[in-house]
Amino acid sequence: DAKTTQPPSMDCAEGRAANLPCNHSTISGNEYVYWYRQIHSQGPQYIIHGLKNNETNEMASLIITEDRKSSTLILPHATLRDTAVYYCIVRVHQSKLTFGKGITLSVRP
Amino acid sequence: EPEVTQTPSHQVTQMGQEVILRCVPISNHLYFYWYRQILGQKVEFLVSFYNNEISEKSEIFDDQFSVERPDGSNFTLKIRSTKLEDSAMYFCASGGTSGFGELFFGEGSRLTVL
Repeated sequence: DAKTTQPPSMDCAEGRAANLPCNHSTISGNEYVYWYRQIHSQGPQYIIHGLKNNETNEMASLIITEDRKSSTLILPHATLRDTAVYYCIVRVHQSKLTFGKGITLSVRP
Repeated sequence: EPEVTQTPSHQVTQMGQEVILRCVPISNHLYFYWYRQILGQKVEFLVSFYNNEISEKSEIFDDQFSVERPDGSNFTLKIRSTKLEDSAMYFCASGGTSGFGELFFGEGSRLTVL
């Protein structure tokens, strides 16, 4: 089963930052935190991953707490197209991704 | 940008028939996966494949399922005798040379078993 917990849903206004929380209190030292999203029934889309340092790319920022027991995905300027299910997943090297229920983000106009 | 492609996008079959779902992973990737998603449910892992053999499989991946990489480019999932409960979206994914970093998913093949 998934080793992360996420709220079932949240919403935010278009143009505002969306902060998606994730708890992974049992994470191991060799596990990375990955974020994927799934728009409608499309294939999951990679967003970002990190080990312990904060990471940023063109899509999002990932903030990992110092104890690595939780993290936050930040979409800096949410658009309607960011409405999706977002999955927080912990993964070791060369292992499969295990998807939980994720968090449904609804971006409102 | 390289992508994972899957065919067919939708297949309708009768219960008991064999089905083959095809995937073309990203060309220099070495790690391959099949997942499925029953309507309204979670994305579930089926099988991973590396170095021409199965590296891990889930309980779902029973004797009715098989995978193959017949020609070095395609990666196929075969369901030998389909059941109604096999109706789902099937996603193929591939990962890079290190087996780490992101997995890239295809758009999926929807299987409907009647």
